[in-house]
Amino acid sequence: EAGVAQSPRYKIIEKRQSVAFWCNPISGHATLYWYQQILGQGPKLLIQFQNNGVVDDSQLPKDRFSAERLKGVDSTLKIQPAKLEDSAVYLCASSLAEQAPPEPEAFFGQGTRLTVV
Amino acid sequence: SQQGEEDPQALSIQEGENATMNCSYKTSINNLQWYRQNSGRGLVHLILIRSNEREKHSGRLRVTLDTSKKSSSLLITASRAADTASYFCATEATDSWGKLQFGAGTQVVVTP
Repeated sequence: EAGVAQSPRYKIIEKRQSVAFWCNPISGHATLYWYQQILGQGPKLLIQFQNNGVVDDSQLPKDRFSAERLKGVDSTLKIQPAKLEDSAVYLCASSLAEQAPPEPEAFFGQGTRLTVV
Repeated sequence: SQQGEEDPQALSIQEGENATMNCSYKTSINNLQWYRQNSGRGLVHLILIRSNEREKHSGRLRVTLDTSKKSSSLLITASRAADTASYFCATEATDSWGKLQFGAGTQVVVTP
C-alpha cells in the first residue's frame, strides 16, 4: 500500500515570498490533516479535512495560510507571505476516520522542511 | 495549544533496559495514540488505546491508560539502539472527532 506522499521534501525561501506544499493521501482515506512541527516541538494541527470539506481550521493563520483539498483527494497548503517564524516541518497525514467504527490511526508523510531566511 | 504533555522530555538508556514515558492530557478522550518519529522523518503510529481500555500490548510495547487521572504511559521493554527516536502521545477528544492533538514528545536515546 502506498503511503502518504508529500513534495517537495525541502524548501528554502526568503521572507515575504510565497510557497506551496502538496500532499497525496493514502487512497480511500477520507480525512486529511496538515500539521506544523517546529523544531523540538510536537506537531500542531493547522487544518483537518473530511473529504473536501474543512472540519477544523481553528489554528490556521488565515491571514497568510490557505489550504484546499480538491475532489477530496490531493491537498495543497500555501503560505503567502512567509515569515521567519514559519520555518518548520509541514506534515501531511491521512486516516480512515470516516469509517464506523472509526479507525483514527493517522498515517504521516515524510514532511516538507521549510526554511525561511 | 497542545493537549498532551509527555514526561520526561528526554530519556537516555542502554540497550536491554526498559524505557518508560508518560503522557498527561486535559480533556475527555475517545482514544489515545502513541507515535514514534525518527530524526528527519514523519511520524509512525505505534499503538492506540481506547477510553474504555486500561492496558494494551503490542510486541515490546505496553500502554496503560488511566482516564480518572487523565494519563497514559508507554513502556518499551528490552530496548534496542533502533528504538532511538522521539515518542509522542496524541489524543482524540470526545468533542473533536478525528482531530488528533499531540504533545511535545519524549526524546529517547538508546546506547549500545
